[in-house]
Amino acid sequence: NAGVTQTPKFQVLKTGQSMTLQCAQDMNHNSMYWYRQDPGMGLRLIYYSASEGTTDKGEVPNGYNVSRLNKREFSLRLESAAPSQTSVYFCASTQGGFNQPQHFGDGTRLSIL
Amino acid sequence: GEDVEQSLFLSVREGDSSVINCTYTDSSSTYLYWYKQEPGAGLQLLTYIFSNMDMKQDQRLTVLLNKKDKHLSLRIADTQTGDSAIYFCAEVYEGTYKYIFGTGTRLKVLA
Repeated sequence: NAGVTQTPKFQVLKTGQSMTLQCAQDMNHNSMYWYRQDPGMGLRLIYYSASEGTTDKGEVPNGYNVSRLNKREFSLRLESAAPSQTSVYFCASTQGGFNQPQHFGDGTRLSIL
Repeated sequence: GEDVEQSLFLSVREGDSSVINCTYTDSSSTYLYWYKQEPGAGLQLLTYIFSNMDMKQDQRLTVLLNKKDKHLSLRIADTQTGDSAIYFCAEVYEGTYKYIFGTGTRLKVLA
């Protein structure tokens, strides 16, 4: 009963390096999301995918790209990492529809030096 | 605009009740969720309420919704040290896919 799985759990990058964060869900959910969490700022939406084959920008998309690889997987890519992208990244999924709660992974803690 | 606000910190003594507050953006049809985040973990759903309800109770948790003031609260009865965590409220409107989260309230339970 894995739910939402994120890899890796921790990562340290140098400025300018690229990286892809992976997310997979096994609940047959339609919608998937990427958030970043910074102290005192709650969760901010980076990108979301309402259904397989679609992606849309959230509140803070600059510096990121996403791919909805299939219904299970939604990846987040940092093409050229910057120190301002140091954060904890969470992936979430939901069946779809506003009356469905989101299910979260345990997060990826990313530090950019 | 879209804004969900919470106070940042709350401290209570073990055995007391905790009340965590949230203000949200007005909508005729919205779901409001409460999540709990323990250190080093993701967000875990606690409970939710639809905007046509005034109250929902689930064991030690009571959610109150004041639509006139756009105010949502989560009451935890008999608060335990294991309740120490960050609590987030979130709002999602009918017809959208975006969940709007508050900044989170860090609850500290003193023994």
